[in-house]
This record gives sequence, structure tokens and C-alpha cells, in this order.
Amino acid sequence: EVQLVESGGGLVQPGRSLRVSCAASGFTFSNYWMSWVRQAPGKGLEWVANIKQDGGERYYVDSVKGRFTISRDNAKNLLYLQMNSLRVEDTAVYFCARVPSSSWYFEKWGQGTLVTVSS
Amino acid sequence: SYGLTQPPSVSVSPGQTASITCSGDKLGDKYVCWYQQTPGQSPVLVIYQDSKRPSGIPERFSGSNSGNTATLTISETQTMDEADYYCQAWDISAGGVFGGGTKLTVL
Repeated sequence: EVQLVESGGGLVQPGRSLRVSCAASGFTFSNYWMSWVRQAPGKGLEWVANIKQDGGERYYVDSVKGRFTISRDNAKNLLYLQMNSLRVEDTAVYFCARVPSSSWYFEKWGQGTLVTVSS
Repeated sequence: SYGLTQPPSVSVSPGQTASITCSGDKLGDKYVCWYQQTPGQSPVLVIYQDSKRPSGIPERFSGSNSGNTATLTISETQTMDEADYYCQAWDISAGGVFGGGTKLTVL
């Protein structure tokens, strides 16, 4: 069974950093593009970042470029999102999601981890 | 930047057909997918590549995409279908783009 389990969320002050993780199991992690998608409280979904199987290509939504970094460890089946210079508007549940080959949608999702940016 | 527009809410009676639209510039030239999200849960993919259903999704769910509008159709709507629905496409410049979501009420 495909499982994606996020962790690392919490309360952080504006301007600080936080790293969230996603542990993958039940499939060959290194064969898939992976993504982060977020959802602010009571709001809709927003794609954040994608990373290629080998980490060689990464794409970001404009609002996080230069502040967030997506990465992965295929040996450990882990996906990361390093978030720097956090802003109040980054407050959201962060979901990791699996992207099928040669397609651009999110076929499996984790349960999400809440990041709250507040002073 | 590229945007997708959905109606905020749609209401339908049980057993009837619900249609949720998603509009965007030349959307028919892109693949569209749809997600269902119930309160407190993660989104679930219900339609991908305009009209394909993942395994485990009932045949009542169908999709189409042409021109500037994609449509999710739920036939014989059940109370369990009450949820938020999001369309999504990929734009070469904007990346992954979601619609604002539509709250489907079954009453």
C-alpha cells in the first residue's frame, strides 16, 4: 500500500526556518516525481514545488522561489521541504504528493503537516 | 499568470446529476484533473487526464474538457459525494494550477 507520511510541522516565528519531511513507503520512491502542495486554513489548494526522480529538476511557485527548497533522499525514501524566511502567509497544511510518470497531477497524497507562522 | 475559475458552490438533490465547471484560457489544450476533499481529509484524485477514473472511483464520476471549460459530472449523486472539489492543470509558466474549489452540497 502506498503511504506518504509528513512530519516536522509546528509553530515558527516570521523570518525563521523550518524543514518538513515526507516518508514514503509501498512503492519505488526513486521512480517518481514528487511534490509539495499546501492549503491555508479554510482556503484552497496551492501547488508549492516539484522535484524530479534524481533531484536534477526542481520547480517552484513564484511566491516561494528563493525561500523554499525541495529535496529528496532516495536511499531513505524521504522528501523534504526546507522553508526559510517564513511569512505569516505561509501558514498552511503542507501535503506531499506523488506525481505519476509523464503526467502533471497528484495521484497519492499524505495526510499533511500543519505549519503555523506567527509571532 | 494562468488561472482556473470554479463556482464557489453547487447544490444538487440526491439521485440527480451534479456538474461542476472549471474555466481557463484554452483549457482544452491542457490535461485537467479533479480532486475531492472532505473536511479534515487529504484530497483524493477522482478524475485525471480530463476523463479517466483512478481505480476505486465510482463510474458515477466522469469528466470532459473542451475549449475553455472542463466539467466534472457526478451522476446519481449520493450524500457521500458532498465535499469540496478542485480542478487542476499544469501550465508551462505557472506550474501546477488549482481552481479555487467548489463546495458541493447534496440536499
